Parts: sequence; C-alpha cells; structure tokens
Amino acid sequence: QKEVEQDPGPLSVPEGAIVSLNCTYSNSAFQYFMWYRQYSRKGPELLMYTYSSGNKEDGRFTAQVDKSSKYISLFIRDSQPSDSATYLCAMSRMDSSYKLIFGSGTRLLVRP
Amino acid sequence: KAGVTQTPRYLIKTRGQQVTLSCSPISGHRSVSWYQQTPGQGLQFLFEYFSETQRNKGNFPGRFSGRQFSNSRSEMNVSTLELGDSALYLCASRPDSSGSYGYTFGSGTRLTVV
Repeated sequence: QKEVEQDPGPLSVPEGAIVSLNCTYSNSAFQYFMWYRQYSRKGPELLMYTYSSGNKEDGRFTAQVDKSSKYISLFIRDSQPSDSATYLCAMSRMDSSYKLIFGSGTRLLVRP
Repeated sequence: KAGVTQTPRYLIKTRGQQVTLSCSPISGHRSVSWYQQTPGQGLQFLFEYFSETQRNKGNFPGRFSGRQFSNSRSEMNVSTLELGDSALYLCASRPDSSGSYGYTFGSGTRLTVV
C-alpha cells in the first residue's frame, strides 16, 4: 500500500465549477502538506503549503488538512480552462522535511 | 526573480553511457533536492544537498550521484545508463533546510536512454 493515495482521474468539469481534489495518507508523522500543479512538459508548481491541520486560502484555492482522518483536500473555485493540469499532493515529516512523498497526481480538465 | 534552472532540457543517451545534469537554484536558496519522475513510479526522492553536503539519499543505486558547489548550484550524475533510467529529472530548491518553506521545482531534464 502506498503512503499517499490519490485518485488519478481524469476529472472533467465545466468552466466555473468548484473542483475538489483529495489525498489520503497512512503515515501519521506527516506534518507538512503541499499541493503542486504540473502542466505537460513542465515541473511541478507549488500552489499551497500548510503545516499541520487546518485551512489555508489563497485566491481561488483553499487547502484543507484533517490529520485525524489522514485526509487533505484542495478546492478550486470558479475553475478556468487554464486550471487544466495534473494536481499532485505531497507531504513530509518534520524530521525529514527534505523528502517529499507525492501522490500519483489527479488529471483535471476544465471544459470551456 | 529567476526560478530554478535546469540544463539541458532534453537528452538522449545510449545504454551504458553516463550523463550529468545541472541545476541552478533560486538565488539565495541553499537547499537543493533532486527527484525522478516516471509514469509508473511517479515522483521519487533521489537526494538532498545543503551547504555542499549530501545530507540524504533516496532508495536508488550507487550509479546515481551528485554534488553541490559553493554557489549552491548542483549537478547529478548517472553512470552506466540503463533503459529504466529514462525519466524526467527534477531539481527543487528552498531557502534553508527547515520545513518552513515548500520546494520550488525547475522544469526538469527529460532523459531518454536508447
């Protein structure tokens, strides 16, 4: 069983929809949680970075961490065709924050 | 502010050869990590450098090595290339070794071994 599980999709939504992306994990020692967006032939781009539990909002993006359920989410409001990409969750332990454990990524397609 | 720069962007090598990939981190960033991305395994940690020292290494064979220079630029080397080494190699940097910052990734070097 992988430490971080993520539905590969693809997830197809109409423009303007609210998108919910999720990851579950098994290692309770994870303390740092990240969401990256990766366009084709590009490197991952850091979208959100959170420590421990709680919510964080940045523009149209909201990240949620529920450590009791070992579950993290990324919400995208008013989705745009330019949001079409692969979204990767990543997490790390406090004592080894250099080593990111990634989910397999969810492909998102926002239809105009 | 310039991002993480990786060169070259694309490489084609023959099995058995060796290859060197280069990474220039964001100015002021001292921690550099390398990841391998493949369709089957996803992103996997290779190694991490801080202040010219390799502090941690992932579960990869000794054919994979690297180094960091005094200006924080980093190189990774793969010797005796195998077909399975074909992948996107990503370099990432952050200001220091604490967990206070996320990593910023470069666009990667796509290595094809034939």
